[in-house]
Amino acid sequence: KAGVTQTPRYLIKTRGQQVTLSCSPISGHRSVSWYQQTPGQGLQFLFEYFSETQRNKGNFPGRFSGRQFSNSRSEMNVSTLELGDSALYLCASSLGLAGSRGETQYFGPGTRLLVL
Amino acid sequence: AQTVTQSQPEMSVQEAETVTLSCTYDTSESDYYLFWYKQPPSRQMILVIRQEAYKQQNATENRFSVNFQKAAKSFSLKISDSQLGDAAMYFCAYRSPRGNFGNEKLTFGTGTRLTIIP
Repeated sequence: KAGVTQTPRYLIKTRGQQVTLSCSPISGHRSVSWYQQTPGQGLQFLFEYFSETQRNKGNFPGRFSGRQFSNSRSEMNVSTLELGDSALYLCASSLGLAGSRGETQYFGPGTRLLVL
Repeated sequence: AQTVTQSQPEMSVQEAETVTLSCTYDTSESDYYLFWYKQPPSRQMILVIRQEAYKQQNATENRFSVNFQKAAKSFSLKISDSQLGDAAMYFCAYRSPRGNFGNEKLTFGTGTRLTIIP
């Protein structure tokens, strides 16, 4: 079974631009969560989607948004990019809702975003 | 809010030896999940082992085992017979059970960088 895939793997943008990252979960998985990883802040939760609905949201500004499609694929969008948005963005999928008994999240390889 | 603390930023171990990575957490919940994830230089986050708080028995996965001390809120990872491929950043993570809205996310520690000495 294929793992979680993320595209693109690397991205360079300039301040003020917007970016869209994509995540395809493991086949059959319905929950997708997004995390931001930076050297300074470590790993921080962005949001979780399940059945096309946002179920949980971290403490990030409204410039960060996401959505999930009927095939469980998810996209994350960051508008008006800032230098501080440079990070590794990881998505993780699970069969059911994260936190449900027995559920484990499996991570993708990440998208490395550099904002200049 | 829950917090996860990994007090060892870096650790090193000789190949074939045993090493223990420490993790403590703070929570007022009685039911929760704990995880160890490994992140090698490729940056892919890989699940190493998980523990459910209601289970008394410590989880094991081949050469990896945990020492879960619920009262002490401690969750250490022991790696036996260390191999070169074990070199990575190791993250301890906590999750609340579903229903505790807003806290079902994974809360990560700051990580421990493990070096394997040939």
